[in-house]
Order: sequence, then structure tokens, then C-alpha cells
Amino acid sequence: QQPVQSPQAVILREGEDAVINCSSSKALYSVHWYRQKHGEAPVFLMILLKGGEQKGHEKISASFNEKKQQSSLYLTASQLSYSGTYFCGSVFYGGSQGNLIFGKGTKLSVKP
Amino acid sequence: KAGVTQTPRYLIKTRGQQVTLSCSPISGHRSVSWYQQTPGQGLQFLFEYFSETQRNKGNFPGRFSGRQFSNSRSEMNVSTLELGDSALYLCASSLGNEKLFFGSGTQLSVL
Repeated sequence: QQPVQSPQAVILREGEDAVINCSSSKALYSVHWYRQKHGEAPVFLMILLKGGEQKGHEKISASFNEKKQQSSLYLTASQLSYSGTYFCGSVFYGGSQGNLIFGKGTKLSVKP
Repeated sequence: KAGVTQTPRYLIKTRGQQVTLSCSPISGHRSVSWYQQTPGQGLQFLFEYFSETQRNKGNFPGRFSGRQFSNSRSEMNVSTLELGDSALYLCASSLGNEKLFFGSGTQLSVL
């Protein structure tokens, strides 16, 4: 049931773009995205509900394709501060926001 | 507004011992969730409590248990510790239907 994230790791130069994907084999009610910097707690980025709504947070946006049970996180014009591990969390039908099932994470490194 | 507070920050135990971790949620938050984080497995859901009732449970053995008090503070207990229990244990609170606020975690080392 754990969603699958890809890629596992990505290295960027400042200003480059990246896409992180999150897919599930089980029907999703919503998808959450969190970022965790080294030695820190995960921090909420955004929630996407079914309906394909696209959300944005600074230069980070995401989409949710409920037919494909897939969400993608788009990071444009990356900054050094974007470095960290990105986790997608899934809420399945019948579940609650309190029991997010997270993917294994995508480690993003932004170099100067 | 104070954030989620977890104590202790670090713990070292030996195999076979038991341990209790504590989590104080953000004031007004009634939902508390626990996660185990390891380098290979990422964040794995342990359980969620809402208004003193366990609402959801992950796929962990019965050695892992928890409870929530009337003031929403939560404790997690692990009995008969194994080497594989070494991990960062994160607690998160929420109003019950939206984003999670995570604490800094308790780093447990089992020797």
C-alpha cells in the first residue's frame, strides 16, 4: 500500500527544474507532500484532493491525477533552500489524515 | 503557539528493555500520530489517536503500543526492545482532518 516515489534521488544546479512522482496501486482520497531537511522534522508543503487540482507553494507546485492514482511535485527554478527529502503521503478512502502512508522519499540536492 | 514537543530527544537502551516516549501536541490539536523513520524504509505509520481513542493502527507488532490522555498528550511504549527498533520516532499532531505538524523526534538506539 506504500506509495512509490521516483526518482529516489536527484541532484540539481540552482535554477534547474525537477519533477518528483508519487504513484499508488490503491485508490487515493488525497495526497500530501512534505519536505524534511537534514536533522529536522518533516514540514508540510501542500495537500491535493481528488479532482486533479493543482496547488502551489512558492515555486513549488503539484498535481493529482486520480485516474492514474498519481501525483507529481514540480520544483521550478530550484534554490539551495529546496534541498532535502521530499515525501508524498497518501490518504486512502476510509482512512484519515492522521494515518498518512508515506513513500520512501526522494532526496533532492541543489548545488550552487 | 508552541509546536509539537517530544521527549526525550535521545535514548539509548539495550535489547530486552522497554521504553516510553512522550509527545505533547499543539494546543487544541486532538489527533496525534506516531511514525517510525529509518534510512531504508522512510516514514512508517505506527498508530493514530484521536480524543483518547486509537483511530488507526499500522502494521507493527504488539510490542508497540500507545495511549492518549485527556489533555491530548500521547505516549508510545515499546517493550522487549530489539536491535531493529533503533530509529527516529516522530510524533505529529493535527486538528484531525488536515496537515500534520511534526515534532523533532526521539532518536532511539538499541544496543
